[in-house]
Amino acid sequence: DAGVIQSPRHEVTEMGQEVTLRCKPISGHNSLFWYRQTMMRGLELLIYFNNNVPIDDSGMPEDRFSAKMPNASFSTLKIQPSEPRDSAVYFCASSRGQGGEKLFFGSGTQLSVL
Amino acid sequence: AQTVTQSQPEMSVQEAETVTLSCTYDTSESDYYLFWYKQPPSRQMILVIRQEAYKQQNATENRFSVNFQKAAKSFSLKISDSQLGDAAMYFCASQGMNRDDKIIFGKGTRLHILP
Repeated sequence: DAGVIQSPRHEVTEMGQEVTLRCKPISGHNSLFWYRQTMMRGLELLIYFNNNVPIDDSGMPEDRFSAKMPNASFSTLKIQPSEPRDSAVYFCASSRGQGGEKLFFGSGTQLSVL
Repeated sequence: AQTVTQSQPEMSVQEAETVTLSCTYDTSESDYYLFWYKQPPSRQMILVIRQEAYKQQNATENRFSVNFQKAAKSFSLKISDSQLGDAAMYFCASQGMNRDDKIIFGKGTRLHILP
């Protein structure tokens, strides 16, 4: 299995631009998570899905952030418009969806908003 | 709400020595899961070890073991015979028993291995 695949690995954009981050979870995994990692705040859960349905989006910082999971093999996290304070590493992770299951992480997207 | 605290932002250990990383957590649940994840310079997070709170026996994975003190809500990670490849950020995490419970991470401890 190729693992969780995220793209792009790096993204540099200018303030005000739209940014879309992509994730392909491991086949057969029912849960998908989006995390943001910064030095100040550590690893924050933004949103997670079970069976393509958003379960908890309370970690999404504001309306500029949105996430979709149109099918079991694809998810996007969109920021529009982007701001410098959105600069962070964004991780996607998937699991089989049972309690206590191991999370499989992607390699993350390093986002820099200038 | 669940919280996870790692009080040591950075630690160093001599190669081949033993090091213990601290973690405390707060939860109102009686049963839950605890984890240690490793994030090497490659950035990809990897599960190191997992503990079910209802099990009294401490989990062990090769050179990695935990000291789980349920009453004290403490979950430390011991790395024996430290190797250069152990250099990484280590994150402690907790999760409730229900499938929809969030996994909450601590802020991490950066471990340096001195040759």
